[in-house]
Amino acid sequence: GQNIDQPTEMTATEGAIVQINCTYQTSGFNGLFWYQQHAGEAPTFLSYNVLDGLEEKGRFSSFLSRSKGYSYLLLKELQMKDSASYLCAVIDSNYQLIWGAGTKLIIKP
Amino acid sequence: DGGITQSPKYLFRKEGQNVTLSCEQNLNHDAMYWYRQDPGQGLRLIYYSQIVNDFQKGDIAEGYSVSREKKESFPLTVTSAQKNPTAFYLCASSIETGSGANVLTFGAGSRLTVL
Repeated sequence: GQNIDQPTEMTATEGAIVQINCTYQTSGFNGLFWYQQHAGEAPTFLSYNVLDGLEEKGRFSSFLSRSKGYSYLLLKELQMKDSASYLCAVIDSNYQLIWGAGTKLIIKP
Repeated sequence: DGGITQSPKYLFRKEGQNVTLSCEQNLNHDAMYWYRQDPGQGLRLIYYSQIVNDFQKGDIAEGYSVSREKKESFPLTVTSAQKNPTAFYLCASSIETGSGANVLTFGAGSRLTVL
């Protein structure tokens, strides 16, 4: 079966750095997304990786290793507004999106 | 501003009733999707549509129905046949489906509670 694993919950301190991991086992790979979702709101697009390496976008960076079936989302200079769930999703060989359950990130002052 | 509008935000239903969730987009996107979100689970695809008057079942279509009579609109009906309908429902759209990295734009969601 296809599977996406993410930690259920993480806690970090305002101003610090946090890394949210995502491992996947899917039938093929055609890219990986990260979305941010505040409680009760719409998920919003953060990043897309299809090649190995690090993609940096302001305070957020996303890394991909296809050989390891692994990605992480790195959030720097954490702010209280970064408290949200972070969803990892993989495009499989049939171009279907497979979603992880999401990681709830709690930021403490 | 372009976006996706879902209504209602909250909906309560008695067992045995059908309810319809509205989804309207003004992004001129071809593809539209309905997902269900439950605690501790990833988003699960209910139905999707790539073009007007055509739609396909997703992974959990049983107990749901959709229509796509206009490009802008993709309503979802939760029928009485859906055994566990209480959930958060998300509508999304993208420029196209098929190959490639199609970034999804989501609506704010509709929370359905069956009493």
